Amino acid sequence: GNSVTQMEGPVTLSEEAFLTINCTYTATGYPSLFWYVQYPGEGLQLLLKATKADDKGSNKGFEATYRKETTSFHLEKGSVQVSDSAVYFCALSVTNQAGTALIFGKGTTLSVSS
Amino acid sequence: DSGVTQTPKHLITATGQRVTLRCSPRSGDLSVYWYQQSLDQGLQFLIQYYNGEERAKGNILERFSAQQFPDLHSELNLSSLELGDSALYFCASSQVTGGYGYTFGSGTRLTVV
Repeated sequence: GNSVTQMEGPVTLSEEAFLTINCTYTATGYPSLFWYVQYPGEGLQLLLKATKADDKGSNKGFEATYRKETTSFHLEKGSVQVSDSAVYFCALSVTNQAGTALIFGKGTTLSVSS
Repeated sequence: DSGVTQTPKHLITATGQRVTLRCSPRSGDLSVYWYQQSLDQGLQFLIQYYNGEERAKGNILERFSAQQFPDLHSELNLSSLELGDSALYFCASSQVTGGYGYTFGSGTRLTVV
């Protein structure tokens, strides 16, 4: 079946530190991969995506590369800010005739201190 | 504002009761998805509707049901509520063709006391 595994948190970093949140997936076919972010008290927002192998998604200084050979989509940021504190979800999508079915990992909480 | 509207934002009710959560999808989106988010289970897919028809079912309990109306808004009905049903319920919508992810609403926080 299709599944997503994320590193467990919480991840605690100081401002300007380097961030990596690991994500691996199991899927049939060729899924699209996503990172969503959830700030306190809010819904999930799409952070970045990649639709095929070797694609790199990027947004707001965050990056992730679709690695088919290692079935991974790790999220990275070179210098985190306090405002990046949130829960990050890795997800994959399987497309059918009606649209996409998104399967999420359990989420990783990031806490950044100044 | 994501374009997906969920009401109410908060709901407190007693065990055994029934509630209805409402979702209006983003303009032009035909698919609606419901998710339950709890601390222990994470984000669980419940059910998907496309243009009024049920298309996919996830971990949805028999006490729960949903529908999508001709104007494309959707309702999630939760009955015989238990304490364990307390969670955030999210609605999301997407266009017909995939690969672009979903747009999420801000959720309904349900507390069962």
